[in-house]
Amino acid sequence: DVKVTQSSRYLVKRTGEKVFLECVQDMDHENMFWYRQDPGLGLRLIYFSYDVKMKEKGDIPEGYSVSREKKERFSLILESASTNQTSMYLCASSLAGVTDTQYFGPGTRLTVL
Amino acid sequence: EDQVTQSPEALRLQEGESSSLNCSYTVSGLRGLFWYRQDPGKGPEFLFTLYSAGEEKEKERLKATLTKKESFLHITAPKPEDSATYLCAVSPSGSARQLTFGSGTQLTVLP
Repeated sequence: DVKVTQSSRYLVKRTGEKVFLECVQDMDHENMFWYRQDPGLGLRLIYFSYDVKMKEKGDIPEGYSVSREKKERFSLILESASTNQTSMYLCASSLAGVTDTQYFGPGTRLTVL
Repeated sequence: EDQVTQSPEALRLQEGESSSLNCSYTVSGLRGLFWYRQDPGKGPEFLFTLYSAGEEKEKERLKATLTKKESFLHITAPKPEDSATYLCAVSPSGSARQLTFGSGTQLTVLP
C-alpha cells in the first residue's frame, strides 16, 4: 500500500512565523503535490514537483515555496505566515507515466493566529 | 478551461436507500477520472480510476461508471459508515500530472 505521511496533524503558528510542512512518501513516486483545502473552495494546487530539485507552480503559489532535495520528501514553506493561510494542507504523490492516480496524506490543519 | 461539476452538493439517505452521485466534466481530452472518499478532518482516500467511456469499477457497495461527459458513483444499500464527502477529479490530456477536482458531494446515511 502507498503511504504518504505528513509531519503534523495539527499546527498553530503566529503571524510572521516561518512554517515548514513536511511530506514523505514510501512508494518511490516521482510526482508530489501540495494542496490546500478550504470550505467552499475545494482542493487548490499550490505547487508540485515531478523530480528531485524540480518544482512547478500550481494555481495559488503566492506566499509559499517548496523544496524537494530527496525523491521521497517534499516540503512546503510559508516564509511569513499570515492569517489567510489558515487551512487544511494536503500532500499527495503519484507514479509518473502509468497513471495519474494521486495518493494523499492525512493532512495538516494549520491555524495562524 | 477544464471543469468538474459534482451534484448534488449534499445528499441524505436512509440506510439501505440506494442512490447515485454525479460528476460532469469538460476537458480537452481525458486521461483518467478519479473518485475519492474524504472523511472529516482527513485526507482523501482513493477509490477508483476510470479511463474510457463504458468502463465500470466496483468496490463493496460502490460502483463507478464513465461516459464521455460524466461519471456516476452508485451506492447500493448504503450504511451509515458510507457517510463522507465524495470527490471526483479528472486528469486532462494536456496536463499529465495534475488533477482538476470537483467540489464534492457530502453524503449522509442515516440509521
